[in-house]
Amino acid sequence: AQSVTQPDIHITVSEGASLELRCNYSYGATPYLFWYVQSPGQGLQLLLKYFSGDTLVQGIKGFEAEFKRSQSSFNLRKPSVHWSDAAEYFCAVGAISSNTGKLIFGQGTTLQVKP
Amino acid sequence: DAGITQSPRHKVTETGTPVTLRCHQTENHRYMYWYRQDPGHGLRLIHYSYGVKDTDKGEVSDGYSVSRSKTEDFLLTLESATSSQTSVYFCAIAEVYNEQFFGPGTRLTVL
Repeated sequence: AQSVTQPDIHITVSEGASLELRCNYSYGATPYLFWYVQSPGQGLQLLLKYFSGDTLVQGIKGFEAEFKRSQSSFNLRKPSVHWSDAAEYFCAVGAISSNTGKLIFGQGTTLQVKP
Repeated sequence: DAGITQSPRHKVTETGTPVTLRCHQTENHRYMYWYRQDPGHGLRLIHYSYGVKDTDKGEVSDGYSVSRSKTEDFLLTLESATSSQTSVYFCAIAEVYNEQFFGPGTRLTVL
């Protein structure tokens, strides 16, 4: 079955520390992958996406993610977290072969930033 | 920001009443989606549309229906609301093989 797993429900990091949010997927087709961020009371905003090519992708707000096909992972990283990064983060996967554009979302990881 | 709006933004209703949520886009995107967001479940797809009058079910479609009579509007209807349908509902739009753009959400409470 197709699924996306974000193993960490909550993560707390100190401001200025590095961050890695994990995402693992199970998908039969060639995937394309996304990370979204959601601030409280807001909709989801795209951070970055991977379709093909370079497996290290850069996104907005200083985030990057690395696609590792052998590990079925697409982990999100940031070298130095800012207090404004506190939010909920969602990993999502879709199929390149799909004609519906449907995505499957992980359960989300809530990031808390300590001053 | 993508031109996508949802109305109403907040609604409180009673069990058994019909409810319609509206999603409106100005981007002329082909695909539109309705999700519900609940703690611990992330976003779950309710219904989606791949063109005018073309819709299909998602993973949690029971108790919901949709209609799309124009490219820009996608309506989600709860025929007889239940407390289990209390949630935050998000609409999204997309062109295939591309990212989905999300609306601001509708918070629905069913008493």
